[in-house]
Amino acid sequence: AQKVTQAQTEISVVEKEDVTLDCVYETRDTTYYLFWYKQPPSGELVFLIRRNSFDEQNEISGRYSWNFQKSTSSFNFTITASQVVDSAVYFCALSSFNTNAGKSTFGDGTTLTVKP
Amino acid sequence: GAGVSQSPSNKVTEKGKDVELRCDPISGHTALYWYRQSLGQGLEFLIYFQGNSAPDKSGLPSDRFSAERTGGSVSTLTIQRTQQEDSAVYLCASGVAVVYEQYFGPGTRLTVT
Repeated sequence: AQKVTQAQTEISVVEKEDVTLDCVYETRDTTYYLFWYKQPPSGELVFLIRRNSFDEQNEISGRYSWNFQKSTSSFNFTITASQVVDSAVYFCALSSFNTNAGKSTFGDGTTLTVKP
Repeated sequence: GAGVSQSPSNKVTEKGKDVELRCDPISGHTALYWYRQSLGQGLEFLIYFQGNSAPDKSGLPSDRFSAERTGGSVSTLTIQRTQQEDSAVYLCASGVAVVYEQYFGPGTRLTVT
């Protein structure tokens, strides 16, 4: 079975603060994929990033960075110098060929509110 | 290129009526998913299509729900004899293959009165 846990239900920060969204996953597979999605108040889910289990290199894209650590089964997402436009629900997800017929397992999401 | 589109964007229906929700996936995407999202909640998987294979219907909540995908492209989700608990946003997503990222449409907000 696969499981994705986003323990932080809601986070509130003030603009320009850094914020980290936690994602912990469980899988028995050795090859798997991890994802982050963003759902702004407008409602449309947007794909942000995919990481492969065999590539633990951290990734940075502008103010966004992702820290993948297999040792702790975590795939955390950090927003640096947060902005009001970062306010959204963020979902972490996991998939692998050998479990759940390849379908993604989503976490319950973390609601981030960035106040001006 | 064009993203995933869904229609209608909003649908209000009376309890007991049937509704059809439409999804146009990204061209070339063989994987297509339907999810349901209640207010403030996460994603509830409903059904999944992959190419010409039999659909994975394991998430459909009752036999009032059905879906089809014609010609490997457009999909229709049908809810028969709607109930108030069916009120939610129905999201469609498509992808190049099941394990990879999904691209979501804007959703259809269904309200059953």
